[in-house]
Amino acid sequence: QVQLVESGGGVVQPGGSLRLSCAASGFTFSSFGMHWVRQAPGKGLEWVAFIRYDESFKYYADSVKGRFTISRDNSKNTLYLQMNSLRDDDTAVYYCAKDRAPPPIGVLDYWGQGTLVTVSS
Amino acid sequence: DMQMTQSPSSLSASVGDTVAIACRASQSISTSLQWYQHKPGKAPKLLIYAASNLQGGVPSRFSGSGSGTDFTLIISSLQPDDFATYYCQQSYSTPFTFGPGTKVDVQ
Repeated sequence: QVQLVESGGGVVQPGGSLRLSCAASGFTFSSFGMHWVRQAPGKGLEWVAFIRYDESFKYYADSVKGRFTISRDNSKNTLYLQMNSLRDDDTAVYYCAKDRAPPPIGVLDYWGQGTLVTVSS
Repeated sequence: DMQMTQSPSSLSASVGDTVAIACRASQSISTSLQWYQHKPGKAPKLLIYAASNLQGGVPSRFSGSGSGTDFTLIISSLQPDDFATYYCQQSYSTPFTFGPGTKVDVQ
């Protein structure tokens, strides 16, 4: 069965960096696009970023563009989110999610349990 | 960016009730609309994709309808496991925006 396990969350100071990982199993990782979605405390879901199965397309929310980078290693079945210049409002649980595919993209059919990122001095 | 709204923001219901949640897009999105269920501390779960298609393994008491800008999620005969927050999400254009959520709790 599909499993997505996020890791790398923690406490970081404003302006700091953190890299999240998402280990995937139970499906052919190299054939599917992947997403990151976050949920700030007491708030709703916010889509963060998408990467195509072959890394040929990447999309970002305006709130993270230029600060966050989504990437993947298909040989390791792992998705990443490099987060730089972190701000207080980046505090959230971060989920990775698999795209349902085939195109059109944007349907998130399996999600991980999330990893908490806290930005605080 | 596409804006998504939901109504109501919360509702109270009893087991066996039928509930309806509305979602509206700021522009036409055809049928590029999904519904997710989310419980605290759990992974969100896809219920409906492309406005009206039931995701595999999801009970048939969940149904979706609509196109263009107006969409509805209906839960027939509410079960104890259905008390959760429900989100709509558009996949018509990036960024893939979610609605603010509708919390369904016990009356």
